Amino acid sequence: GENVEQHPSTLSVQEGDSAVIKCTYSDSASNYFPWYKQELGKGPQLIIDIRSNVGEKKDQRIAVTLNKTAKHFSLHITETQPEDSAVYFCAAGGGTASKLTFGTGTRLQVTL
Amino acid sequence: GAGVSQSPSNKVTEKGKDVELRCDPISGHTALYWYRQSLGQGLEFLIYFQGNSAPDKSGLPSDRFSAERTGGSVSTLTIQRTQQEDSAVYLCASSLAQGANYGYTFGSGTRLTVV
Repeated sequence: GENVEQHPSTLSVQEGDSAVIKCTYSDSASNYFPWYKQELGKGPQLIIDIRSNVGEKKDQRIAVTLNKTAKHFSLHITETQPEDSAVYFCAAGGGTASKLTFGTGTRLQVTL
Repeated sequence: GAGVSQSPSNKVTEKGKDVELRCDPISGHTALYWYRQSLGQGLEFLIYFQGNSAPDKSGLPSDRFSAERTGGSVSTLTIQRTQQEDSAVYLCASSLAQGANYGYTFGSGTRLTVV
């Protein structure tokens, strides 16, 4: 089955700096890669996703890149703000998979 | 409804008691998932329902855990004879068709505390 690894487990950046979270996956059949943000006391919320037919996708300050050859994908947050502080999960799925496989999460803290 | 609704939001129960957790998915979403999240940990898959197909129960940790989905909509997760290690946040998610292709919408979870 699919295996997703996520790094780092914790990340602290100063407000205004960029943050990068990286994930690798094992199943070359995976073709859908969403990212979720979980704020304290809430369920994870989808913030951006990418499919294997594109290499990069942007949405305002958030971007995701995908390298299918290397089987890794990354989340980039630019101009970080305190409200970006949360736990971020990557996931992989698609094809014949019935469910997403999640990474172990990255706790991002944006300091003033 | 507009989102995935879970109830109760918090549940405190005594060790050995049974509990039922409810999930009301987004209307029209055929796939429904239950996950468990222990304090500060990742997402542990429990069970998956897709339409009228047999559920994927491969993530249920023991036979004390069961779930059903009535009429292809509301789902109930039941934990019998609760143990302290069952304390966690139980998250429900729903999706159009197979969530592995469309992503999930999560509810806010039920925080279960077994004392």
